[in-house]
Amino acid sequence: AQSVSQHNHHVILSEAASLELGCNYSYGGTVNLFWYVQYPGQHLQLLLKYFSGDPLVKGIKGFEAEFIKSKFSFNLRKPSVQWSDTAEYFCAVIRAGGSYIPTFGRGTSLIVHP
Amino acid sequence: EAEVAQSPRYKITEKSQAVAFWCDPISGHATLYWYRQILGQGPELLVQFQDESVVDDSQLPKDRFSAERLKGVDSTLKIQPAELGDSAMYLCASSFRTGLNEKLFFGSGTQLSVL
Repeated sequence: AQSVSQHNHHVILSEAASLELGCNYSYGGTVNLFWYVQYPGQHLQLLLKYFSGDPLVKGIKGFEAEFIKSKFSFNLRKPSVQWSDTAEYFCAVIRAGGSYIPTFGRGTSLIVHP
Repeated sequence: EAEVAQSPRYKITEKSQAVAFWCDPISGHATLYWYRQILGQGPELLVQFQDESVVDDSQLPKDRFSAERLKGVDSTLKIQPAELGDSAMYLCASSFRTGLNEKLFFGSGTQLSVL
């Protein structure tokens, strides 16, 4: 069965620090990859997505993610975090050839101290 | 931007009672999902609809859970009887269609507490 692993469950940073959140998936075929974010008191929303082409994907609010096929990874990065980035971050994968159901990782809670 | 509507926002019930959650997806979205999110974990799929048809309900505990989307628009998720372990956030999401390139639009969820 396909699984999505997020190894960092809780991350605490100071403002201006760099961020990298890990995401690995277990399926070897064609996949589409997503990062969703849930700010406190808000609903889940899309941060960025990878479908094909350039493996470095840029999203909203200065976030980017790199798809490394050989490592089955899609890590999320931001060079300099802000207090407003405090949120839960979820990696999700859609596998080709199945029922195209998005499978989510367990999430990473990011707290940014001002 | 159009939103996925869910109600109620919070529900407190006693075990063995029946509960129901409602979801109205974004207009024109053919695919609707119900996810359950336990505190500290990611969303886990319960059921996927394409229009009024169930596409995948393999993870739905069918002895107590049921879901319907009779006219292919809004949807209801029911639990009867509720158990303590059902306490979680129930999320509804929709997408224009089912496919690789589709992003999900989520509602705010229904937080269920079973006492």
